[in-house]
Amino acid sequence: AQSVAQPEDQVNVAEGNPLTVKCTYSVSGNPYLFWYVQYPNRGLQFLLKYITGDNLVKGSYGFEAEFNKSQTSFHLKKPSALVSDSALYFCAVRDRWGNAGKSTFGDGTTLTVKP
Amino acid sequence: DTAVSQTPKYLVTQMGNDKSIKCEQNLGHDTMYWYKQDSKKFLKIMFSYNNKELIINETVPNRFSPKSPDKAHLNLHINSLELGDSAVYFCASSQGQGQGSDTQYFGPGTRLTVL
Repeated sequence: AQSVAQPEDQVNVAEGNPLTVKCTYSVSGNPYLFWYVQYPNRGLQFLLKYITGDNLVKGSYGFEAEFNKSQTSFHLKKPSALVSDSALYFCAVRDRWGNAGKSTFGDGTTLTVKP
Repeated sequence: DTAVSQTPKYLVTQMGNDKSIKCEQNLGHDTMYWYKQDSKKFLKIMFSYNNKELIINETVPNRFSPKSPDKAHLNLHINSLELGDSAVYFCASSQGQGQGSDTQYFGPGTRLTVL
C-alpha cells in the first residue's frame, strides 16, 4: 500500500522568509511525487512533480521540492514567501508499478504567510 | 477557456433524493477521475475512467455510480443521498492511461449539501 504523510497541519511564516512544507511517503516501488495547491473555494492546481533524474524539481510560482530517497521525503520549499502563497498544499504519491495509477494524497498543510 | 468544468457548482438537496454532477474536460485527455473532499479537507479518490472504461473503483457505496458517455465526460450519479455525502466533489483529468507520471488537472468542485 502507498501512503503520504504531511506532518504539519499548519505552517506559518512571515512574508519574505523561506518556507518549507514537509511530505514523506511510503510506496513499494519507486515513486512519482506531486505537489498541488488549493486556494479557497477552488480546485487543486498542479505545482510540480518528481519523475526521475535531478532530485531538485522546480515548479510554478517559484516553488521547488527536493526528492530524498533515503529519507523518503519530498519537501516543498520557496526561498521567499509571499502573502499570496497562503493556501492549502497537498503532496501526492503514485507507485510506478502498481495501484493502476491511483494517486494517494496527504491530508494537506495550510500555509499562512503574514505580512 | 475552462479546461475541466463541473456543473453545478453548488447543490443543496434533501436526504433520500437522487442527484447528478456533470464533468467535462476539453484537454483531450484519456483519463478522468472523481475525488471527494470532506469537511476536514481530506481528499480521497472515488473512481477513475480511461477511455470510458472503469479502472479505479475505490470502496464507495453502491449508491454512487459514475457514467462516462465519452472520454471527455464523466458524470457522477448519487442515489438515496445521505447526510454523510455532504462534501466537495472534484473531477479531474490526465493524459495517457492514468498511470505513471501524468499530471492531474482538477475542476473547480461541486459543493454538495444534504439536509
